[in-house]
Amino acid sequence: DIQMTQSPSSVSASVGDRVTITCRASQGISSCLAWYQQKPGKAPRLLIYAASSLQSGVPSRFSGSGSGTDFTLTISSLQPEDFATYYCQQGNSVPRTFGQGTKVEIK
Amino acid sequence: EVQLVESGGGLVQPGGSLRLSCAASGFTFSGYVVHWVRQAPGKGLEYVSSISTNGDNTFYASSVKGRFTISRDNSKNTLYLQMGSLRAEDMAVYFCARVYYHGVGLYYDYWGQGTLVTVSS
Repeated sequence: DIQMTQSPSSVSASVGDRVTITCRASQGISSCLAWYQQKPGKAPRLLIYAASSLQSGVPSRFSGSGSGTDFTLTISSLQPEDFATYYCQQGNSVPRTFGQGTKVEIK
Repeated sequence: EVQLVESGGGLVQPGGSLRLSCAASGFTFSGYVVHWVRQAPGKGLEYVSSISTNGDNTFYASSVKGRFTISRDNSKNTLYLQMGSLRAEDMAVYFCARVYYHGVGLYYDYWGQGTLVTVSS
């Protein structure tokens, strides 16, 4: 199975800050990577697919980049509603696997 | 509006069985692959099982293979997960998630709210 490793595990930030989360795959996955946002007690929400494509309805402050094994999710200006846990997911190989999550907390 | 609604979760003893359902609406269910994904308390997301649109092909995570059975009834717009020989490590919120293909990549564009399975004596 492809292992997905996110860093950091948690980040403390303030409203308006730029936040960057990284995800590394244990082997190349081309651009087959998604990012999800999950709030407590809720289902995950698709933010980014194919490494850099913004899902419909997702604010443009979210962006993704990368290919191969190294990927990045960036929130350009953190908003109060962005405090949540973020997961990456590889969509290239079976079984689809997720990163362990990055919790974005209020500083 | 696309909706996925899971049901059937609850408390079950180790070694017991449970059947989960995922009722779909707002899209042509028979034309979509839908997966089961679970999340243990305080943990990350884990793929569990998937089934082809016509039900002919099924796939399982190694952790559940031989114990869980996935099925679907396209006439009822419903996905099922029959879980048997349940273990403590199966305790989780179980989500159904609709698959979105883009190029060669597979992603999940809609998720249900989840149903909690608790395995305890």
